[in-house]
Amino acid sequence: DVKVTQSSRYLVKRTGEKVFLECVQDMDHENMFWYRQDPGLGLRLIYFSYDVKMKEKGDIPEGYSVSREKKERFSLILESASTNQTSMYLCASSLPSIPGTGKAFFGQGTRLTVV
Amino acid sequence: QQQVKQSPQSLIVQKGGISIINCAYENTAFDYFPWYQQFPGKGPALLIAIRPDVSEKKEGRFTISFNKSAKQFSLHIMDSQPGDSATYFCAAANFGNEKLTFGTGTRLTIIP
Repeated sequence: DVKVTQSSRYLVKRTGEKVFLECVQDMDHENMFWYRQDPGLGLRLIYFSYDVKMKEKGDIPEGYSVSREKKERFSLILESASTNQTSMYLCASSLPSIPGTGKAFFGQGTRLTVV
Repeated sequence: QQQVKQSPQSLIVQKGGISIINCAYENTAFDYFPWYQQFPGKGPALLIAIRPDVSEKKEGRFTISFNKSAKQFSLHIMDSQPGDSATYFCAAANFGNEKLTFGTGTRLTIIP
């Protein structure tokens, strides 16, 4: 089974801190994604990457950046954390073998609280 | 702007009953419609998916019905069981693009 591992289950950070969320997948997937999940809003795409060093903005990229230096690792960076970034963050990966198939594998999520 | 609208927000169904969750989309370029299931403390996992060239897809107790002209699709869970209690998300994707657009989610509770 594909395994997508997020480095932390829970994080508490202070306003203004720089925050790094790490994600590693073990199945050599080209595509990796960062979503945030909020009650009543579902999952919203922050950034995605189709290959190493490639990234594209999703629907809500403001206040975030990403890094993909190795194929298996995709990092989400909150440049200056704010309270409205308190959320559940989900990393996912997928293969582009059949475009548009939508089969993404998700990590267990990181619940970030910014105080 | 919510491109995929999902209802209801929450649903309570008796054991053995039929659970129905509905989604509607706006972007006619969407051509792949998966449903994800999420248990508490876990990430979402793919449950079942459909392409618009068919009107229905069934896998065990789970069925997707798809109405292309109405731009709607729904998930039916037959003989609902307490183990089906979870949050369900519909999603849509464009051909050639792995990016998923999700609905807002439905919290399903199956009561004995």
